[in-house]
Amino acid sequence: GESVGLHLPTLSVQEGDNSIINCAYSNSASDYFIWYKQESGKGPQFIIDIRSNMDKRQGQRVTVLLNKTVKHLSLQIAATQPGDSAVYFCAENNFNKFYFGSGTKLNVKP
Amino acid sequence: EAEVAQSPRYKITEKSQAVAFWCDPISGHATLYWYRQILGQGPELLVQFQDESVVDDSQLPKDRFSAERLKGVDSTLKIQPAELGDSAMYLCASSFLPGEHEQYFGPGTRLTVT
Repeated sequence: GESVGLHLPTLSVQEGDNSIINCAYSNSASDYFIWYKQESGKGPQFIIDIRSNMDKRQGQRVTVLLNKTVKHLSLQIAATQPGDSAVYFCAENNFNKFYFGSGTKLNVKP
Repeated sequence: EAEVAQSPRYKITEKSQAVAFWCDPISGHATLYWYRQILGQGPELLVQFQDESVVDDSQLPKDRFSAERLKGVDSTLKIQPAELGDSAMYLCASSFLPGEHEQYFGPGTRLTVT
């Protein structure tokens, strides 16, 4: 099976600081990489995706960076807010099959 | 805003019993997914439907799990007999097109097998 893993299971940041969540993947043939956010008691929610031929993509307060050389993906959240507290999953899309990593829990301290 | 509906939200069952979960995707979404999420892990795809057809069930334990989407709208996932290791969150998601990254997830059904 695919291997999509995360470097840190828990990340604590101060409100207003920037957050960086990292993810390693194993399949260099994946077409897209996706970030999802899962709040407690809810299903995952799509945040942003990046195609494998790109190295950076920006959204609202979020930036995803892709380093294919080292098979590394990161999600940067600017000015982290209490509402950003959740578990973040990276996922890869390989021929329309989705493989999720094990998640990083982001704690935002007031 | 349209949402994916799932029921029940919580289910406790004894091992060897049968259990069923229901999902109603967002109207117009032809693609429906069932995932299993073990606590502390990411979702794992069990089955994917395109309309009423199964397009991927390679990770579905077919000796005990079954899924159907008879009219291409709502879907049912069944486990019979349930085992202790089936305790998990069962998530349903839908998307307008197959392979679309913006999948819309329901709140899930938390299954506990005792």
